Amino acid sequence: AQSVSQHNHHVILSEAASLELGCNYSYGGTVNLFWYVQYPGQHLQLLLKYFSGDPLVKGIKGFEAEFIKSKFSFNLRKPSVQWSDTAEYFCAVTRNFGNEKLTFGTGTRLTIIP
Amino acid sequence: DAGVIQSPRHEVTEMGQEVTLRCKPISGHNSLFWYRQTMMRGLELLIYFNNNVPIDDSGMPEDRFSAKMPNASFSTLKIQPSEPRDSAVYFCASSLAQGHTEAFFGQGTRLTVV
Repeated sequence: AQSVSQHNHHVILSEAASLELGCNYSYGGTVNLFWYVQYPGQHLQLLLKYFSGDPLVKGIKGFEAEFIKSKFSFNLRKPSVQWSDTAEYFCAVTRNFGNEKLTFGTGTRLTIIP
Repeated sequence: DAGVIQSPRHEVTEMGQEVTLRCKPISGHNSLFWYRQTMMRGLELLIYFNNNVPIDDSGMPEDRFSAKMPNASFSTLKIQPSEPRDSAVYFCASSLAQGHTEAFFGQGTRLTVV
């Protein structure tokens, strides 16, 4: 079964700092990749997704992620974070066939200091 | 569309009582997922349905948990009897395609069992 690893459990940054959150998955076949964000007290919302094509994916709110197949990675980046980016970020993967479930990583809590 | 609708938003119940959580997926979506989120275990997939049929219930903790999807617009997650360790936020999500596109999450039900 596929699995997703997010090695950064809690990241603390100052406003305007650059962000990179790591995500690695275990499945070797074709995958669909997602980043979700959960603001405090809210539900998960999609930030961006990768199905195929350009491995550099642009999402909402200035986020982007790069799919590197050889490294089984899909790291999330933002060049300059804002206080409002304080949230928990989840990477997720699904295999690209059949009735496949979405597997989430354990999440990374991001705290932005004003 | 109003998105995925869950009810109730908050539920406080005594240990041993039956609890029923409800979910209305986005119209036209044919996959529905139940997740549980806790500080200790993160986001766990409990069960998911495709075209109202349970596909994978391996995440259901034990026999006290059951889920149904009698039609395309309604699902329930039942806990009977409830225990304090069931306290968590339960999210329902739905997605459009069989091969799995992004999932849209409801606002969640915060369950407290005392």
